[in-house]
Amino acid sequence: GQQLNQSPQSMFIQEGEDVSMNCTSSSIFNTWLWYKQDPGEGPVLLIALYKAGELTSNGRLTAQFGITRKDSFLNISASIPSDVGIYFCAGNDYKLSFGAGTTVTVRA
Amino acid sequence: GAGVSQSPSNKVTEKGKDVELRCDPISGHTALYWYRQSLGQGLEFLIYFQGNSAPDKSGLPSDRFSAERTGGSVSTLTIQRTQQEDSAVYLCASSISGTGVQETQYFGPGTRLLVL
Repeated sequence: GQQLNQSPQSMFIQEGEDVSMNCTSSSIFNTWLWYKQDPGEGPVLLIALYKAGELTSNGRLTAQFGITRKDSFLNISASIPSDVGIYFCAGNDYKLSFGAGTTVTVRA
Repeated sequence: GAGVSQSPSNKVTEKGKDVELRCDPISGHTALYWYRQSLGQGLEFLIYFQGNSAPDKSGLPSDRFSAERTGGSVSTLTIQRTQQEDSAVYLCASSISGTGVQETQYFGPGTRLLVL
């Protein structure tokens, strides 16, 4: 599948801070997804985006599907310790194409 | 209900040996996917089964890799003559029908393969 470019690769954040990560692709995707993976587990879907320009929230998470359908960002507001993990963006063309992940570590 | 299950959870093998990894999808899901996750990397698509259609094998890295899905349910990923570069986490996912890009893929916990 197509490789998505995800940044930043890692981040340390203070509890209570907001954090943002983004993903770009050279190809258009009709669906963008954000997953979170905890150690020893498979990825779990956080947010799915289906329409260009769409802004979707899930609790403290907000994600937007870029108008060109080639990019997306994920924001986490008021981070807490359980936000630790690896976040992946993915474009869906039946088979998922994943970014390399953003590793989030929260300083208490 | 039960999610996607995979076995074994961990596998250590010697270079040159064959290994079989198993995936049990969510009951009723007709689409099944295999992905590989190398250390510090995102997931890489391997193969996709959708109902009785011929599988999409476009992601298999070499002819040492094969997969089958018996009875439209359980799937087995086989790696023959394993190499050290095959060491990775192998993740299985399933979705309801695999016919729409809006379907959610649900992942299993993965099998961690280490080839010595």
